[in-house]
Amino acid sequence: QKEVEQDPGPLSVPEGAIVSLNCTYSNSAFQYFMWYRQYSRKGPELLMYTYSSGNKEDGRFTAQVDKSSKYISLFIRDSQPSDSATYLCAMMGSGGSNYKLTFGKGTLLTVNP
Amino acid sequence: DTAVSQTPKYLVTQMGNDKSIKCEQNLGHDTMYWYKQDSKKFLKIMFSYNNKELIINETVPNRFSPKSPDKAHLNLHINSLELGDSAVYFCASSPQGTNSPLHFGNGTRLTVT
Repeated sequence: QKEVEQDPGPLSVPEGAIVSLNCTYSNSAFQYFMWYRQYSRKGPELLMYTYSSGNKEDGRFTAQVDKSSKYISLFIRDSQPSDSATYLCAMMGSGGSNYKLTFGKGTLLTVNP
Repeated sequence: DTAVSQTPKYLVTQMGNDKSIKCEQNLGHDTMYWYKQDSKKFLKIMFSYNNKELIINETVPNRFSPKSPDKAHLNLHINSLELGDSAVYFCASSPQGTNSPLHFGNGTRLTVT
């Protein structure tokens, strides 16, 4: 079993739709959870950063972490064509794992006008 | 005012050649990384340096040798290039001693023919 599993999609939605992106993981040591957005031919940029379980909201984006189920989600409300990108979940532990961020394979999202 | 910059952006070379990729960050971060992204968009850590000291060395062929002349620079030298080395190589940085997220450059697209 891979450490981080993410459905690669592709996912295609109409403008204004609510998008749900998900990752599951197997390593119970993971404490810090991130979502990165990567546009074509660009580097990943940080969207959301959460610690442990719970929800975090930033504008149209909401990140959820359920550590008991080892499941994280990113919701995008009122999706826009500019949201079209690959979304990567990423996570890491604490202590000795401080410096090692493990990524999912990314989900390619297209928002159609 | 680019935070993490890599050169070159594109690199096309033949099998057997030796090439280098350079990375510089102006964020004042202590930790720098090299990640490899394959054709399926999977991002995998290769190396990490903290204040010029190697702290992560994943299972990478010893044809790959990172060098950090100072904490703002991390270069990657690749000897005897192989077809399978074709990928996008991303440099990233983060503050030390925290579980802060990584800041990525825009990548170097390496094609080995």
